[in-house]
Amino acid sequence: DTAVSQTPKYLVTQMGNDKSIKCEQNLGHDTMYWYKQDSKKFLKIMFSYNNKELIINETVPNRFSPKSPDKAHLNLHINSLELGDSAVYFCASSQRRMGEKLFFGSGTQLSVL
Amino acid sequence: DQQVKQNSPSLSVQEGRISILNCDYTNSMFDYFLWYKKYPAEGPTFLISISSIKDKNEDGRFTVFLNKSAKHLSLHIVPSQPGDSAVYFCAASESRRNDKIIFGKGTRLHILP
Repeated sequence: DTAVSQTPKYLVTQMGNDKSIKCEQNLGHDTMYWYKQDSKKFLKIMFSYNNKELIINETVPNRFSPKSPDKAHLNLHINSLELGDSAVYFCASSQRRMGEKLFFGSGTQLSVL
Repeated sequence: DQQVKQNSPSLSVQEGRISILNCDYTNSMFDYFLWYKKYPAEGPTFLISISSIKDKNEDGRFTVFLNKSAKHLSLHIVPSQPGDSAVYFCAASESRRNDKIIFGKGTRLHILP
C-alpha cells in the first residue's frame, strides 16, 4: 500500500500545453506539499496545504495552480508549459507538528519539448 | 541563496569503512535538521533527524552530529554497506515554520566493494 502516490510518473509534453499531476496520501496527514527538483538538483518547496488551506506559496508563477479537494489529495495544474518547467515534481505529506518528517511520493518527471 | 549547503556532490567509500557526509547552513533560526536518502526513480525517504538542543543523535549505523557554533552538521554511516549507495539530502527548518523544510543539493554516496 503506497503511502504517497502521484501520477503520472513520466509526462512528456509540448510547450504551451496545460497538464496536471495528481497526488494522494493515505497516511491521514493534514499537510501536503509540492516540491520541485530542477536540473541543478535542488529540492525546492513550491506549495504547502494544511487541511485544504494554502499555507505556503513560494513565489511560484501563477501558471502553477495547486488544488486540494480534500486533505488526502493535492493536485498540481500547470498552464502554458514552458521549457524551464522541465523538472521532477515531488508530492509529500506530513503532520504539521514540530519534528514530523515528510513522506514523499516517487516523483513525476516532466519534460517540456 | 542557498541556506543549506552540501559542498561535496559525490563521495566514494569502501564497503565496511565509515562514510561522512557534511552539511553547512546559514540561517541561525534553523533549529531542526534532517537527513533524507534517495534512490534513483524514488522519492526521498527520511533517515535521521536532530534538534538543536542536542549535538548528537544515533540510530543504528547512522549518527548525526550538530555543531551549532559552526552551523555545521554531519552524517556518519558505519559500517558502510552497498545498500547505502544513494543520494543523501541534508534539510533544515525553523520550529516555528516546520512546514517549510529547506533542502541542500544532495551528496551522491558510492559504496565500493
